[in-house]
Amino acid sequence: ETGVTQSPTHLIKTRGQQVTLRCSSQSGHNTVSWYQQALGQGPQFIFQYYREEENGRGNFPPRFSGLQFPNYSSELNVNALELDDSALYLCASSSDRDIVGYTFGSGTRLTVV
Amino acid sequence: GQQLNQSPQSMFIQEGEDVSMNCTSSSIFNTWLWYKQDPGEGPVLLIALYKAGELTSNGRLTAQFGITRKDSFLNISASIPSDVGIYFCAGHPGAQKLVFGQGTRLTINP
Repeated sequence: ETGVTQSPTHLIKTRGQQVTLRCSSQSGHNTVSWYQQALGQGPQFIFQYYREEENGRGNFPPRFSGLQFPNYSSELNVNALELDDSALYLCASSSDRDIVGYTFGSGTRLTVV
Repeated sequence: GQQLNQSPQSMFIQEGEDVSMNCTSSSIFNTWLWYKQDPGEGPVLLIALYKAGELTSNGRLTAQFGITRKDSFLNISASIPSDVGIYFCAGHPGAQKLVFGQGTRLTINP
């Protein structure tokens, strides 16, 4: 079975721009969660999608938005990028909102300049 | 908000030594998890703990869920070079998220 795939692996954007990050969930998984990991810190929960609906959100502003598609892949969109948005963005997939069964992708390293 | 305090932040040990790290919280968690993250990779689950007082082993790794449900520790025995990495504790407060600690960076001198 294939694992979680994220694209792109690295990205450089300018402050004020918009960015879309993509995640393909592991085969058989219908839940996708997104986390932001700043340098030297632990991951922080952004939101979770289950069966194409947002199913929980962390303490992130509305300019962080997402989508989940019928094939359970997902996108994370960030508008009006700020320098502090520079981080590793991790996607984790699981079955039926299972938390313990997360499989994390390798992440997208976003740098905002 | 909920925060986890993980200590130590970093450890420098000799190969073969035992390692101990812990995590404390001001909030109660229903589940405690321990992850390892290698450079350029996402976290990988090492051990999951579901009940207060539970002690669970996975090879050379042993972890315990504190009685108060506000703390957990991870021990690694007889460390080897591939144990190098960053270890994270994570708590599940019952909502659809995990709360992670700041991580413990383990470096092993051969």
